[in-house]
Amino acid sequence: KAGVTQTPRYLIKTRGQQVTLSCSPISGHRSVSWYQQTPGQGLQFLFEYFSETQRNKGNFPGRFSGRQFSNSRSEMNVSTLELGDSALYLCASSVALSYNEQFFGPGTRLTVL
Amino acid sequence: AQRVTQPEKLLSVFKGAPVELKCNYSYSGSPELFWYVQYSRQRLQLLLRHISRESIKGFTADLNKGETSFHLKKPFAQEEDSAMYYCALSNAGGTSYGKLTFGQGTILTVHP
Repeated sequence: KAGVTQTPRYLIKTRGQQVTLSCSPISGHRSVSWYQQTPGQGLQFLFEYFSETQRNKGNFPGRFSGRQFSNSRSEMNVSTLELGDSALYLCASSVALSYNEQFFGPGTRLTVL
Repeated sequence: AQRVTQPEKLLSVFKGAPVELKCNYSYSGSPELFWYVQYSRQRLQLLLRHISRESIKGFTADLNKGETSFHLKKPFAQEEDSAMYYCALSNAGGTSYGKLTFGQGTILTVHP
């Protein structure tokens, strides 16, 4: 099975711009979660989508949003970028059964200048 | 609120020595605990989960609910064990399947 894929792998934006990141889960996985990874804060949960619905949300401002499509692919959007949004954004997918084993993608490295 | 604490940012051992990576958690419900590992230039991957009670690559971890700990142990460390290790927690049996709360991670270096 192909693993979780994320596009693009690297992105450079300037403050005030917006960005869209994409995640394709493992075939058959219906849950997609997003995490932000920074040296200072570590790995922080952004949100999770299941069957096109946001099921869980972390403590991030409303500038961070996401969606999931009927084929389980997911996108996350960050509007009005700030310097502090520079991070590695990880996507993970799972079958969402009785336990929560998540499979991670390689991440998208976002740099905000 | 759920919280995971890994008290050691860095841990260095010599090859063949025992290694223990500490993880403590706080959570009011019934937790699921995991250890994830990230080798150099590789993606984050699951090492083991408490519910399966397996030994992966010689590593074991026991959930101690009394001490709210889930320490990762290996009796004889190998150089290929050098990596970043994350302890993570999820809500068992609830609706938070997609949410993992991670500790800050421990960089393990095994010297030859």
